[in-house]
Amino acid sequence: NAGVTQTPKFQVLKTGQSMTLQCAQDMNHEYMSWYRQDPGMGLRLIHYSVGAGITDQGEVPNGYNVSRSTTEDFPLRLLSAAPSQTSVYFCASTQGRGGPGGFRDTQYFGPGTRLTVL
Amino acid sequence: EDQVTQSPEALRLQEGESSSLNCSYTVSGLRGLFWYRQDPGKGPEFLFTLYSAGEEKEKERLKATLTKKESFLHITAPKPEDSATYLCAVTSRGNTGKLIFGQGTTLQVKP
Repeated sequence: NAGVTQTPKFQVLKTGQSMTLQCAQDMNHEYMSWYRQDPGMGLRLIHYSVGAGITDQGEVPNGYNVSRSTTEDFPLRLLSAAPSQTSVYFCASTQGRGGPGGFRDTQYFGPGTRLTVL
Repeated sequence: EDQVTQSPEALRLQEGESSSLNCSYTVSGLRGLFWYRQDPGKGPEFLFTLYSAGEEKEKERLKATLTKKESFLHITAPKPEDSATYLCAVTSRGNTGKLIFGQGTTLQVKP
């Protein structure tokens, strides 16, 4: 198993550009989520999904869109990038629909995407 | 509002010098408290989940404990390879499936 994979590893955008951060898992996990990590702020939840076709907002959803058409993939879209979105982005997955804290709750993180918006 | 505070922000130890990291939390009905390890440039790696006050879990030189207000990560006789950032996170009955993270404690163990 590759676990949770993310592409690209690094990305530089100009203000106003759009892009999609890719996330995939091959563990047949139902729950997937996106976090951003900023110095002094810790990890903050952006969006999450408890299964294909179901998504919900986390703590900091503004400026980001998600969809979940398959169990394996959970892309994160930036429609119009802003310098405030410069961050490291992590995707994570958990086996059960209840996510972390539920039954079979180990959450696996991907290696991250470092995004800079100029 | 669920909150997690970790202390200290940074900790330097000599190899073999035992110590503890603190995670204080305020939640509306704790569902689970998680400890992760994060190495530079990598994603967080799961260490432990604790569910109720009085629970303890161990893994090699690490031991996690939980009270109604805080959790401790005890590191016994640390080695340089234990150097990393340790993250604490909680999920609550009011925020099912959502992890709230603390800011982390960066541990450096010198040989």
